[in-house]
Amino acid sequence: AQTVTQSQPEMSVQEAETVTLSCTYDTSESDYYLFWYKQPPSRQMILVIRQEAYKQQNATENRFSVNFQKAAKSFSLKISDSQLGDAAMYFCAFSLQGGSEKLVFGKGTKLTVNP
Amino acid sequence: NAGVTQTPKFQVLKTGQSMTLQCAQDMNHNSMYWYRQDPGMGLRLIYYSASEGTTDKGEVPNGYNVSRLNKREFSLRLESAAPSQTSVYFCASSEELGTGPLHFGNGTRLTVT
Repeated sequence: AQTVTQSQPEMSVQEAETVTLSCTYDTSESDYYLFWYKQPPSRQMILVIRQEAYKQQNATENRFSVNFQKAAKSFSLKISDSQLGDAAMYFCAFSLQGGSEKLVFGKGTKLTVNP
Repeated sequence: NAGVTQTPKFQVLKTGQSMTLQCAQDMNHNSMYWYRQDPGMGLRLIYYSASEGTTDKGEVPNGYNVSRLNKREFSLRLESAAPSQTSVYFCASSEELGTGPLHFGNGTRLTVT
C-alpha cells in the first residue's frame, strides 16, 4: 500500500518570504501522480499543483513550485513571496496511474503567514 | 459553475440515528469519492465509485454504505450513527480514477452525540 508522510505538522513564514513544505511517499510503482492541496479556514479543498512522475521537469504554478526527487521519493512544495492568503492546511497526495487506485493523503501541514 | 455540491453543510445526530449525505457533481466526471477528515488524521477514503454502477471500499468503510445513483450523484449513508463518526465529510469527483485532480465539495460537519 502507498503511504504519504508530511513530517512538519506546522510551519510559519513571514509575509513576502519563501517557505518549503516537505512530503515523502512510499511506492514500488514507477508511474504515478503527486498533488498538493490547500485547505483554508473555509474548509474548501483547492488543488495547488500536480506532478506526473514520468516528467522530470518540476511543476510550477505562479508562486508555487515543487522539488520532485523521484529516486528519493520526495515531493516538496515551495511557496515564494508568501502572502497572508496562503495561510492554510496543505496536504500532499499520491495516486497511481492506470485507474486502479485512488488518492492517498498525508496528514497535512498547517502554514501560518506572519505579517 | 456549481462543481461538487454537498448537502447538508452541518448535521447533529444522536447515537443510533441514521442519515444520508448527498453529493452531486455537474462536471460529467466518471469517478466520485467520499472522504472523512479528522484532526491529526488527514483525509481518509471511505468509499469510492470508479464509474457509474460501481462502488468499492476505501480505507475506512465500516459503518457506512454508499449508492452511486447515476453519473452525477453519489450518496453516503450512516445506518446507525456512532460518536466515532463525528467528523467532516468531503465528497469529491475526478474525470477518471487515479489520474486526479480531485474536485471537492465544501464538506459536511457531522456531530454524533
